[in-house]
Amino acid sequence: EAQVTQNPRYLITVTGKKLTVTCSQNMNHEYMSWYRQDPGLGLRQIYYSMNVEVTDKGDVPEGYKVSRKEKRNFPLILESPSPNQTSLYFCASSLSPLGYNEQFFGPGTRLTVL
Amino acid sequence: DQQVKQNSPSLSVQEGRISILNCDYTNSMFDYFLWYKKYPAEGPTFLISISSIKDKNEDGRFTVFLNKSAKHLSLHIVPSQPGDSAVYFCAASASGGSNYKLTFGKGTLLTVNP
Repeated sequence: EAQVTQNPRYLITVTGKKLTVTCSQNMNHEYMSWYRQDPGLGLRQIYYSMNVEVTDKGDVPEGYKVSRKEKRNFPLILESPSPNQTSLYFCASSLSPLGYNEQFFGPGTRLTVL
Repeated sequence: DQQVKQNSPSLSVQEGRISILNCDYTNSMFDYFLWYKKYPAEGPTFLISISSIKDKNEDGRFTVFLNKSAKHLSLHIVPSQPGDSAVYFCAASASGGSNYKLTFGKGTLLTVNP
């Protein structure tokens, strides 16, 4: 089954404790992206990756890091989480970065930073 | 600066009637527009899209209309069904340049009452 998986689905942590949210897709997609969803703000792009070893900032990259060492994986790293990073996070992938390509989203990771 | 705007946070309609969800954009470089649907506890899923070279695209009960001069698009659902109750996101992208971002609106919560 073609899908985007994220782990963990739920995470409660404390300020400053480094964490990684994993994302993996099995569709051989080149383009992957991370979004956060906050009440009243919709979906905002954090980082995206055009292909292996090619990443770029989205609209809200501060406080986040990403890496793309393999085509299928695109982890999101919070080196020192803060409460304002409490949010619902989605990973997505598509065949190419061009806008007409449908993005497939993962189920989401709900992160709470105390 | 919000480039994609969904000014109605919520919409309630009766089953069988038409649902019209609206979206406005400000960036004249946007040339591809997509609608995503999101159920609670799930990731967004692609619904329908339209290129700027068209003014209408239809897929079953779903039709998207694009008015480029007004920088406005709308999603029509006819007839509406209770299973259509979800948050609907409008998204836009610009195919030119090196900025491969998908910009989302804040979403509209559609409730279809039986």
